[in-house]
Amino acid sequence: EVQLVESGGGVVQPGRSLRLSCAASGFNFDDYAMHWVRLPPGKGLEWVSGINWNRGSMTYADSVKGRFTISRDSAKSLVYLQMSSLTPEDTALYYCVKTRHLNYDAFDIWGQGTMVTV
Amino acid sequence: DIQMTQSPSSLSASVGDRVTITCRASQGIMNYLAWYQVKPGKVPKLLIYSASTLQSGVPSRFSGSGSGTDFTLTINSLQPEDVATYYCQKYITAPITFGQGTRLEIQ
Repeated sequence: EVQLVESGGGVVQPGRSLRLSCAASGFNFDDYAMHWVRLPPGKGLEWVSGINWNRGSMTYADSVKGRFTISRDSAKSLVYLQMSSLTPEDTALYYCVKTRHLNYDAFDIWGQGTMVTV
Repeated sequence: DIQMTQSPSSLSASVGDRVTITCRASQGIMNYLAWYQVKPGKVPKLLIYSASTLQSGVPSRFSGSGSGTDFTLTINSLQPEDVATYYCQKYITAPITFGQGTRLEIQ
């Protein structure tokens, strides 16, 4: 079964840091780009960051550029989102997502999400 | 950056109705467009990709059309379980962008 399981969310004070993790299973992790998407309370979906299959390219939303860093560990099938200088505007449910096939593709698998409250 | 504008922001329809949601891109995106369904407390679900291709397992009453800048999600014969918020998404390049969402309710 294809699965993504996020962890690392919690309550944090403004200005502090937090690292989210996403454990992937059930598919060949190295073949797919991975992304983070967030859903703030009462608001819409917002793409946060993505990393391509070979870690050659990391991209970020303007709202998190310079504060968040995405990375992946192929040996452990893990994706990370290191978040620093957090603000209340970063409060959201953070989803780890897998692309269908290409580096730029629709998101076919979503984790259950991990809540971050700043 | 390419902006995605959805309309309407909310709508109410009856069971059995045909519902249409539109999404407009500020620049041409070919067919690099997807539609998602988000229900409260549930994981977002991919409905349509490549503007018109139905994701596996999605009921055939959902369909998508369009190319370039104008896109449509249609739900034929609306069902009670279709109550949700629907988002379009462009993924041709970064930054990936979602529309602001359309909240669908049953009358």
